[in-house]
Amino acid sequence: GQSLEQPSEVTAVEGAIVQINCTYQTSGFYGLSWYQQHDGGAPTFLSYNALDGLEETGRFSSFLSRSDSYGYLLLQELQMKDSASYFCAVANTGFQKLVFGTGTRLLVSP
Amino acid sequence: DADVTQTPRNRITKTGKRIMLECSQTKGHDRMYWYRQDPGLGLQLIYYSFDVKDINKGEISDGYSVSRQAQAKFSLSLESAIPNQTALYFCATGNLGDNEQFFGPGTRLTVL
Repeated sequence: GQSLEQPSEVTAVEGAIVQINCTYQTSGFYGLSWYQQHDGGAPTFLSYNALDGLEETGRFSSFLSRSDSYGYLLLQELQMKDSASYFCAVANTGFQKLVFGTGTRLLVSP
Repeated sequence: DADVTQTPRNRITKTGKRIMLECSQTKGHDRMYWYRQDPGLGLQLIYYSFDVKDINKGEISDGYSVSRQAQAKFSLSLESAIPNQTALYFCATGNLGDNEQFFGPGTRLTVL
């Protein structure tokens, strides 16, 4: 089977940096994705890591360590609009499908 | 126009009724997926399809069926709806070789 663990909630203030961790247990691991979902909205893709290391996309970065079955999403210069739920998702071999974690709700305060 | 559309956006029905949720896409993607999301939980895969002749069960397919009528259309049916199928349902699309899935706006289904 496959399972992912991420914190249920994280709080931070505007301008701060926050890291959302994700640990996974899976067979046939292909890569780790991150999605953002605002309340009432659809999930939207943020990043994908297939190899170990850090991928940077603007204010957001994502890290993967395959040997530790661990990844994280790093959000810098937090803005109020970053308040949302963030999901990690494991892609299986061949990227046939995704298995999602239960999500981390990020609350950004002024 | 939205690339991935879902109809209806909201539906209230009664236990035992047959319900069909529809998904259409203009992205030209081969792969289509149906997910269910319960409050406070992640997305669970119900069914997925890689082309018109390919249908695969996901994690939670019991009580659901699907039809891939065309490359652009993928419908989800609840043959006899039950209250614990009350949830938010998302359709998504993707392409072979891409690592991103594109989600529709969702259908909020309530079974009384």
